[in-house]
Amino acid sequence: AQSVSQHNHHVILSEAASLELGCNYSYGGTVNLFWYVQYPGQHLQLLLKYFSGDPLVKGIKGFEAEFIKSKFSFNLRKPSVQWSDTAEYFCAVNGGLIRTGRRALTFGSGTRLQVQP
Amino acid sequence: DTGVSQNPRHKITKRGQNVTFRCDPISEHNRLYWYRQTLGQGPEFLTYFQNEAQLEKSRLLSDRFSAERPKGSFSTLEIQRTEQGDSAMYLCASSLGLAGGPRVADTQYFGPGTRLTVL
Repeated sequence: AQSVSQHNHHVILSEAASLELGCNYSYGGTVNLFWYVQYPGQHLQLLLKYFSGDPLVKGIKGFEAEFIKSKFSFNLRKPSVQWSDTAEYFCAVNGGLIRTGRRALTFGSGTRLQVQP
Repeated sequence: DTGVSQNPRHKITKRGQNVTFRCDPISEHNRLYWYRQTLGQGPEFLTYFQNEAQLEKSRLLSDRFSAERPKGSFSTLEIQRTEQGDSAMYLCASSLGLAGGPRVADTQYFGPGTRLTVL
């Protein structure tokens, strides 16, 4: 079974600090990877995704993530956070689409980011 | 608003009652998904439709749960004989279903969810 680990459950940063949120998954085959964000009172929104190609992907609002296949990781980064980045961040994986046609996403438990002004 | 919509947004029911939720996907999206999210956890997959066909079901989808998408547009999720453990946020998502085939990845877009409280 697939699983996703987000080791940082709650992160507190000051504005302008750099951010890196960890995401590790367990699946040995081809994967599709996503980061979703949930701002307070809003629904899940896509930040960025990786399907294939360049392992460094850029998303909205200055976020980027790097897929490192050998480490089964897809960490999220932002060089300088803003107060408006306060939200919950979820990493999600779909593995096995090519082999089985399964489309279910497996989510991590989320990281709550609090940015202090 | 052209996003995924879900109704109702909140539902409070007593244990043992049946509840039904509705999801309207983004127009022209032919794939529709249901997830459940409990406090402090990420969403957990329940089931997935391609048009009107239910192609995937999670083991979480017990016999008390049934989902339908009869005309390939909106979907309903019914929970029979609700239990307190069913209290959660029920999320719907849809994706376009690109012409590249059944094994081509696409992006799921989520709705606001229906929060169910079972007393």
